[in-house]
Amino acid sequence: AQSVAQPEDQVNVAEGNPLTVKCTYSVSGNPYLFWYVQYPNRGLQFLLKYITGDNLVKGSYGFEAEFNKSQTSFHLKKPSALVSDSALYFCAVRDLLGSARQLTFGSGTQLTVLP
Amino acid sequence: SQTIHQWPATLVQPVGSPLSLECTVEGTSNPNLYWYRQAAGRGLQLLFYSVGIGQISSEVPQNLSASRPQDRQFILSSKKLLLSDSGFYLCAWSGGGQSYSNQPQHFGDGTRLSIL
Repeated sequence: AQSVAQPEDQVNVAEGNPLTVKCTYSVSGNPYLFWYVQYPNRGLQFLLKYITGDNLVKGSYGFEAEFNKSQTSFHLKKPSALVSDSALYFCAVRDLLGSARQLTFGSGTQLTVLP
Repeated sequence: SQTIHQWPATLVQPVGSPLSLECTVEGTSNPNLYWYRQAAGRGLQLLFYSVGIGQISSEVPQNLSASRPQDRQFILSSKKLLLSDSGFYLCAWSGGGQSYSNQPQHFGDGTRLSIL
């Protein structure tokens, strides 16, 4: 079975400061990991993914994520937050060994960037 | 480029009425298609997915059904809506075939459904 946890419902950060949104996962085999962002009354937008290779993955809008196999984590980061980054962020996982065609999503983390 | 369309954007329906939400994808062929429900702006619940025309898998027992009459068309239906069917419904697509597992899902802008 595959699962993903986002331990923080809410993250607040000042504009210009670095931000981190946390994600941990559990899979039987090796994971495929994804980050999405959702703005109010919109669908989810794909930010980045980890499949294999470098543990640091770069994505859209200046976001990056670090895959840590020993800690089973895939935290989303940005060096300098913008007010426009305020949104709901979802981490998702798919197990390579699993037969499921679906992603398992975390419960989401509301990021608020304060001006 | 690929695009996904959902309509309507908002819908208000009385309890017991039927439902039909439509989703279409352009710019790709043989996609995997998904219906999700998002309650209270948070977690996503997968309702149905489809890997081809007429092939529907249901993830949870419920009052809803899905159909895929064409390769790039996915429909969510109900014969009689319940109050508990209220929510934000999202359609998504991803690449099909053997590479599906490493392909991200791409979402439409959703339908806000309110049941009165």
